[in-house]
Amino acid sequence: ETGVTQTPRHLVMGMTNKKSLKCEQHLGHNAMYWYKQSAKKPLELMFVYSLEERVENNSVPSRFSPECPNSSHLFLHLHTLQPEDSALYLCASSQGRGLGNGYTFGSGTRLTVV
Amino acid sequence: AQSVTQLDSQVPVFEEAPVELRCNYSSSVSVYLFWYVQYPNQGLQLLLKYLSGSTLVKGINGFEAEFNKSQTSFHLRKPSVHISDTAEYFCAVSATNAGKSTFGDGTTLTVKP
Repeated sequence: ETGVTQTPRHLVMGMTNKKSLKCEQHLGHNAMYWYKQSAKKPLELMFVYSLEERVENNSVPSRFSPECPNSSHLFLHLHTLQPEDSALYLCASSQGRGLGNGYTFGSGTRLTVV
Repeated sequence: AQSVTQLDSQVPVFEEAPVELRCNYSSSVSVYLFWYVQYPNQGLQLLLKYLSGSTLVKGINGFEAEFNKSQTSFHLRKPSVHISDTAEYFCAVSATNAGKSTFGDGTTLTVKP
C-alpha cells in the first residue's frame, strides 16, 4: 500500500471515551504531522514529529496525546474530549529538509464528539 | 518565519470561465511554493509546486501558477473550469532549508453550471 493511510475514516465518541486515531505512511518520509480542520476555520497545525521526535506542539490541550513509535506510524490518542473538538483530523508526511517535495496527506478522520 | 495570505475566501465562477486564485507570501529567506486542492471529506492533494527556474509552473487538472518574486505572489489560474473543479484550494510556503510548510486559510472555488 502506498501513500498516507488514516484509520478510522469516521469516529463518533462520547466525552468520557478514550479512542485513538492512526496514521501510516509507506513513503519513506521522516517527518509526520497532525492537523485539525474545523468547519469555516483555517488548518491548525497540532504536532510535528521529525525522525520520531516531537519537535513542535502548538499549545494543544492535554486531552490530545500524540505518539510516534517509528517513522511509519503516528497516533493521536484522545480522551475526555469536548464537542468543540469535533473536526476533520488530517495526518501528513514529508521528506527531509530543502527537498521541496511538499506534503502527502491522508484522507482524514472525521471525528464527532457527542 | 513565513506567512501566506490567500486574498479571496470564496470565488464563484461559471463553468468554462477562466479563474484566478490569489496568493501572496512573506518570507525573509528563499522559499518553495505549493498549491493544494481538497475535495469534500478528503485530504489535501498537491496540485503544483514552484522550486526554481521557470516562473510559470503547470500542474494537474489543467492548473498553472506563476511565481512573481517582486510582488511575492504565486497566483493559481485555469483558463476554463469544470464543475468538478469545485473544491477548497490552499497555498503553502516552505523555506528552502526546512521541511515544514505554512498554509494559507484556503479559497473555496465554486463552479456553477
